[in-house]
Amino acid sequence: RKEVEQDPGPFNVPEGATVAFNCTYSNSASQSFFWYRQDCRKEPKLLMSVYSSGNEDGRFTAQLNRASQYISLLIRDSKLSDSATYLCAVNMRGNEKLTFGTGTRLTIIP
Amino acid sequence: GAVVSQHPSWVICKSGTSVKIECRSLDFQATTMFWYRQFPKQSLMLMATSNEGSKATYEQGVEKDKFLINHASLTLSTLTVTSAHPEDSSFYICSARDEGTGWTDTQYFGPGTRLTVL
Repeated sequence: RKEVEQDPGPFNVPEGATVAFNCTYSNSASQSFFWYRQDCRKEPKLLMSVYSSGNEDGRFTAQLNRASQYISLLIRDSKLSDSATYLCAVNMRGNEKLTFGTGTRLTIIP
Repeated sequence: GAVVSQHPSWVICKSGTSVKIECRSLDFQATTMFWYRQFPKQSLMLMATSNEGSKATYEQGVEKDKFLINHASLTLSTLTVTSAHPEDSSFYICSARDEGTGWTDTQYFGPGTRLTVL
């Protein structure tokens, strides 16, 4: 089983819709969780950290479910500019390394 | 947010040559930087962790003699791909850990270097 798994998609979603995707992790000792956004042929950019209590940043909401070992990202009122690959990343307690999922490709359709 | 630069942004070289890639943290100090490689339509794969003032820690399967890492200062790490071959063609991305962010280990990525070996 991979340490971090994501549905690769693609998710093709009409503009204005709400879309959500999950990322599961296998190591219960995982401590920190992040969502990154990566555009084609570009570097990943930090979208948001994921806190235990869940957090929201504008149209984006991230949740952590430790019992089921997954994190989620919800995008409301999707925009064309949201089209990208969304990578989740996890690191373990006492370990600086980030382990990335393979990414979920999202395309917003006009 | 923190800024990380990489140079060059792209390079084309002949098989057998060596290529040096620089990664700099511009507005913060980073005792730890990371080097990743990403092949088309695949995820980022960590190659090594670069530690200022000490030897890099390589991931399993990454040849340390082929991918030389030097973390000479708190703002600069370099990756040298020695005797590059076509199979080394990839997108190489560095990241730097901003230790000023408190409890979260936030990493900021450089813009990447696209290496093509002919």
